[in-house]
Amino acid sequence: GENVEQHPSTLSVQEGDSAVIKCTYSDSASNYFPWYKQELGKRPQLIIDIRSNVGEKKDQRIAVTLNKTAKHFSLHITETQPEDSAVYFCAASTYGGFKTIFGAGTRLFVKA
Amino acid sequence: ETGVTQTPRHLVMGMTNKKSLKCEQHLGHNAMYWYKQSAKKPLELMFVYNFKEQTENNSVPSRFSPECPNSSHLFLHLHTLQPEDSALYLCASSQEKGTGELFFGEGSRLTVL
Repeated sequence: GENVEQHPSTLSVQEGDSAVIKCTYSDSASNYFPWYKQELGKRPQLIIDIRSNVGEKKDQRIAVTLNKTAKHFSLHITETQPEDSAVYFCAASTYGGFKTIFGAGTRLFVKA
Repeated sequence: ETGVTQTPRHLVMGMTNKKSLKCEQHLGHNAMYWYKQSAKKPLELMFVYNFKEQTENNSVPSRFSPECPNSSHLFLHLHTLQPEDSALYLCASSQEKGTGELFFGEGSRLTVL
């Protein structure tokens, strides 16, 4: 069945450093790849997404890259800040579809 | 009130109890979802409804029974649950065929004794 693998499960960085989270997916029909951030005790919220017709997308300090051939996509956070500390989930789905499959999550710690 | 609202926020129940979780969305969306979040399997899809019709049941045990009376309301009826069902139950909504973004509620923290 569909599966999304996410690594690492925990990531600790110093404030100002970059953080990279990587995901792979199994369903070749997937064409929509969102990333959600969940702060402690809060709901998951979309921070950035990318569609399969685009290789890279950037929004201020966050960027996402997609390699559809290899079925890999990654989240890059530059100049990390303590408020970036949270759990980040990658996901894969078919655009316009209803089944979003999530990765297991990456707990990011940004040390001041 | 805007967004996705879930009640109750916390629920403790025995294995023989019957209880329900409620979700309401004020975003005008037509699709609603139940996700289960636990330490063992974060963000696990349970059910999907589109225009009140169930389109996905991700092999969920029958002790969980969803109900979607209209596009704005979603319920999860619980009966004879097991302690391993203790988790955070998240409701979400999205447009029928829109951006694909899921808008989550704050969740209902369920503890089964």
